[in-house]
Amino acid sequence: SQQGEEDPQALSIQEGENATMNCSYKTSINNLQWYRQNSGRGLVHLILIRSNEREKHSGRLRVTLDTSKKSSSLLITASRAADTASYFCATDAGGKLIFGQGTELSVKP
Amino acid sequence: DTGVSQDPRHKITKRGQNVTFRCDPISEHNRLYWYRQTLGQGPEFLTYFQNEAQLEKSRLLSDRFSAERPKGSFSTLEIQRTEQGDSAMYLCASSHRDRVDEQYFGPGTRLTVT
Repeated sequence: SQQGEEDPQALSIQEGENATMNCSYKTSINNLQWYRQNSGRGLVHLILIRSNEREKHSGRLRVTLDTSKKSSSLLITASRAADTASYFCATDAGGKLIFGQGTELSVKP
Repeated sequence: DTGVSQDPRHKITKRGQNVTFRCDPISEHNRLYWYRQTLGQGPEFLTYFQNEAQLEKSRLLSDRFSAERPKGSFSTLEIQRTEQGDSAMYLCASSHRDRVDEQYFGPGTRLTVT
């Protein structure tokens, strides 16, 4: 079963705008990760945030984690058409990853 | 570093047939994972190996599924007597003993059972 929920399920924006995706999870975690998946392909690891961290940046990506609310958000700034993909959060459950259902992001040029 | 590779990339089979998929992890990655992903859903964990030992199996892995990693390098996932509900993308990932948190995924094998 899926660990959590992602919101929104789909997001459509114009190039240059920011995109924010949210993830909620149910159990205690060691870390939370975000992955990107282009249509019909494998997953690419974007960023990992540990349970004792509140915010992390990587390039145009900003991830926040609120363990009290069991939620995380992924912000992509200055989006590009190439950012069009599905984005998944995943929590580490003792070695295996438990994924959310994903947010499908469409960035229109 | 060539990344995780999977073979075949696509497989179409008739219901009732057996299929086998192969995964080659990144060299020196001691952990190897199998996930299944259906359309519109996130990947679901199936099983994982540390070296040649299979450490955990999901309840999703019915008796018709078997995974092996005989020499602690490549792994195979076999599905016997395939059913239409087995149609999915089968993803393999690997991680290094020093960075087990970070799993690197292969391109997946898309199975279609007709």
